[in-house]
Amino acid sequence: QKEVEQDPGPLSVPEGAIVSLNCTYSNSAFQYFMWYRQYSRKGPELLMYTYSSGNKEDGRFTAQVDKSSKYISLFIRDSQPSDSATYLCAMSPVYNAGNMLTFGGGTRLMVKP
Amino acid sequence: IAGITQAPTSQILAAGRRMTLRCTQDMRHNAMYWYRQDLGLGLRLIHYSNTAGTTGKGEVPDGYSVSRANTDDFPLTLASAVPSQTSVYFCASSPTDRGVNVLTFGAGSRLTVL
Repeated sequence: QKEVEQDPGPLSVPEGAIVSLNCTYSNSAFQYFMWYRQYSRKGPELLMYTYSSGNKEDGRFTAQVDKSSKYISLFIRDSQPSDSATYLCAMSPVYNAGNMLTFGGGTRLMVKP
Repeated sequence: IAGITQAPTSQILAAGRRMTLRCTQDMRHNAMYWYRQDLGLGLRLIHYSNTAGTTGKGEVPDGYSVSRANTDDFPLTLASAVPSQTSVYFCASSPTDRGVNVLTFGAGSRLTVL
């Protein structure tokens, strides 16, 4: 079993829909939870990160962490065709030399006009 | 524009040849990383360096080597390429003074080994 699981999709939604992207994990030491967006043939770019449990909002994006369930989510409101990309979750313990990010496999999202 | 520059962007290589993928960052980040990304397997860490002069092995280091002579450059060398090394390679960097490992990625190098 992988340390971080993410449904690969593809997830296809109409423009304007609310999108929910999710990851589950098994390592209770994870403290930082990140979402990266990767457009086709590009490198991943950081969307947002949260520390420990709770919610964080940035524009149309909301990240949610439930450490008791080892489950994180990224919600996208009013989805746009420009949101079509692969979304990668990543997580790590508090940083020190040797602690690396563990990535999920990514979920491909397609937002249709 | 601050960021990471990778070269080449794509390359086709005969098996058995030596290849070096170049990576340069201008953000003065202490830590640098090399990942490979394969369909169905996600991003896998090959090698990393927490600071100039030090390197470490990641999840899939076999067949690859790295060096970190200075802060800005982190080349990845395939000594004798094999077809299973066909992949997209991403270089990344991060600061080490924030308590969180936030990576900035390059645009990737697409390598095909025949």
